[in-house]
Amino acid sequence: GNSVTQMEGPVTLSEEAFLTINCTYTATGYPSLFWYVQYPGEGLQLLLKATKADDKGSNKGFEATYRKETTSFHLEKGSVQVSDSAVYFCALSDAYTNAGKSTFGDGTTLTVKP
Amino acid sequence: DGGITQSPKYLFRKEGQNVTLSCEQNLNHDAMYWYRQDPGQGLRLIYYSQIVNDFQKGDIAEGYSVSREKKESFPLTVTSAQKNPTAFYLCASSPPGASYNSPLHFGNGTRLTVT
Repeated sequence: GNSVTQMEGPVTLSEEAFLTINCTYTATGYPSLFWYVQYPGEGLQLLLKATKADDKGSNKGFEATYRKETTSFHLEKGSVQVSDSAVYFCALSDAYTNAGKSTFGDGTTLTVKP
Repeated sequence: DGGITQSPKYLFRKEGQNVTLSCEQNLNHDAMYWYRQDPGQGLRLIYYSQIVNDFQKGDIAEGYSVSREKKESFPLTVTSAQKNPTAFYLCASSPPGASYNSPLHFGNGTRLTVT
């Protein structure tokens, strides 16, 4: 079956540091890949997505590239801010399931200190 | 603004009582979902519904029940049979004709505490 593995957290960075959160996946076929962000006490919201190999998703300074050869979708940001503190989830869905049966990683908690 | 409304935000119940969590959406989405989130874990699918009057079990349906009488509403009942009901519950939806390329839209969740 499908699976998503994220780097374990928590991750603590100073403001303006470079961020990488690793995500690798196992899936049948050619999945779409997503990063969601969850702020304290809230639901998840889409951060970015990529639907085919070599696509780069980007939003709010965050980027992730769909790497089929390494089955990875690592999240990066060049300079984090305190407001980026949140839990980040990597997820996939494929053509054999509908969007609601997306597979999620366990989440990585990011804390950014001033 | 369109969105998903979950209520209440916090819910407290005594063990042995059933409790119903509300989820309403005004996005005109066909499909709706319930997830459970536990600390340090990813989301686990409880139930989903792709159309009114139809729903399917997800990965952890035991001890839960749902109904889908209206397109806008997908309430979740946590029954006394659920052995460990304390958790954060998230409702989500996806647009009409959603393909696997479509992201989910989430509500802000209900935190249920059972003592």
